[in-house]
Amino acid sequence: EPEVTQTPSHQVTQMGQEVILRCVPISNHLYFYWYRQILGQKVEFLVSFYNNEISEKSEIFDDQFSVERPDGSNFTLKIRSTKLEDSAMYFCASNRGTYNEQFFGPGTRLTVL
Amino acid sequence: AQKITQTQPGMFVQEKEAVTLDCTYDTSDPSYGLFWYKQPSSGEMIFLIYQGSYDQQNATEGRYSLNFQKARKSANLVISASQLGDSAMYFCAMRLLNSGGSNYKLTFGKGTLLTVNP
Repeated sequence: EPEVTQTPSHQVTQMGQEVILRCVPISNHLYFYWYRQILGQKVEFLVSFYNNEISEKSEIFDDQFSVERPDGSNFTLKIRSTKLEDSAMYFCASNRGTYNEQFFGPGTRLTVL
Repeated sequence: AQKITQTQPGMFVQEKEAVTLDCTYDTSDPSYGLFWYKQPSSGEMIFLIYQGSYDQQNATEGRYSLNFQKARKSANLVISASQLGDSAMYFCAMRLLNSGGSNYKLTFGKGTLLTVNP
């Protein structure tokens, strides 16, 4: 069964460093999302992406964040200068259409020291 | 803006019994979808069940059923015949369905931690 994959599973970085989180959505899906979950808290929406552009972003998704679909399969989230409060689990999700459920990847746990 | 409320931080149930996890939602939009996801301790998010606002019948998926009461704006998850493997965090989530091409994000509640006792 096709699934969303994410790499790495865990990333440790120093404050101020840039990180890139990678996702491979399910191949025939058209809508892509990033969410984050700070430890012990609820899952929060960051950004949605469709037709090679951002369709919506939350107030969390400030100028330090960017997303890209560099080729036909990868979907990346970049944090330019990480802060301690960026430490969280980051989930990538995708779906085929707006009426379909979103399939989540296993997450990348980002730890900023 | 949409809002999801899960008032039970934690629930306990005996193996083989049924359990209901509460979820209430708030939106002024008439067209929306409600979702339940399971998050085991390993951290992944697993889709369980979906209910559309215009669906006439309550959704069911195996041991999972959704008790949808539109007038009360509630979408409770019922798990029948609980198993030890059901121990996990459960999130209720909502998404608008007709938003002119955007706003398909999921809005999540804070979750309920279910523990199934042997």
